[in-house]
Amino acid sequence: NAGVTQTPKFQVLKTGQSMTLQCAQDMNHEYMSWYRQDPGMGLRLIHYSVGAGITDQGEVPNGYNVSRSTTEDFPLRLLSAAPSQTSVYFCASSYSARSTISYEQYFGPGTRLTVT
Amino acid sequence: AQSVTQPDIHITVSEGASLELRCNYSYGATPYLFWYVQSPGQGLQLLLKYFSGDTLVQGIKGFEAEFKRSQSSFNLRKPSVHWSDAAEYFCAVGEYGNKLVFGAGTILRVKS
Repeated sequence: NAGVTQTPKFQVLKTGQSMTLQCAQDMNHEYMSWYRQDPGMGLRLIHYSVGAGITDQGEVPNGYNVSRSTTEDFPLRLLSAAPSQTSVYFCASSYSARSTISYEQYFGPGTRLTVT
Repeated sequence: AQSVTQPDIHITVSEGASLELRCNYSYGATPYLFWYVQSPGQGLQLLLKYFSGDTLVQGIKGFEAEFKRSQSSFNLRKPSVHWSDAAEYFCAVGEYGNKLVFGAGTILRVKS
């Protein structure tokens, strides 16, 4: 199993450009999510999905879109990049979204995005 | 609203000394609590978790944490720190382990 994979590892964008950060998992996990990490702020939830075709907003969704057409993939789209979106982005997945049993979230290696 | 506070931004300990990283949370229901570790340039790795039962939980790499409901705390401890423990540590609270709310993190430095 590759676990959670993210591409690209690094990206530089100009203000106003759009791009898609890719996330894939091969563990048949139901739940997937995107976080951004900024210094001194920990990780903040952007969007999440409890299964194919179902997505919802997290704490900081503005400027980002997501879709979940398959169980494996959960891409994050930046519609019009802004310098405030300079951050490290992490994708995560866990086995179940609806169980009362706590399952571990597995994190990808991250994508470091700079918007100039 | 849910929140997690890690009061210490940086902590420096000598190799072989004991370690305690503090975490306080605010959560309306029974909390699912986690400690993650992040090495430089890496993703996050789960150290341990608590959601019910024994309030002292054991994790990987010799770490443990104690849940104290009366103090809304979930402090991480290790009796003897190794140089390889230098990293950033995050406390988090969430719903069944999903939709996590993270603290700001504590950077651990280990002196040899």
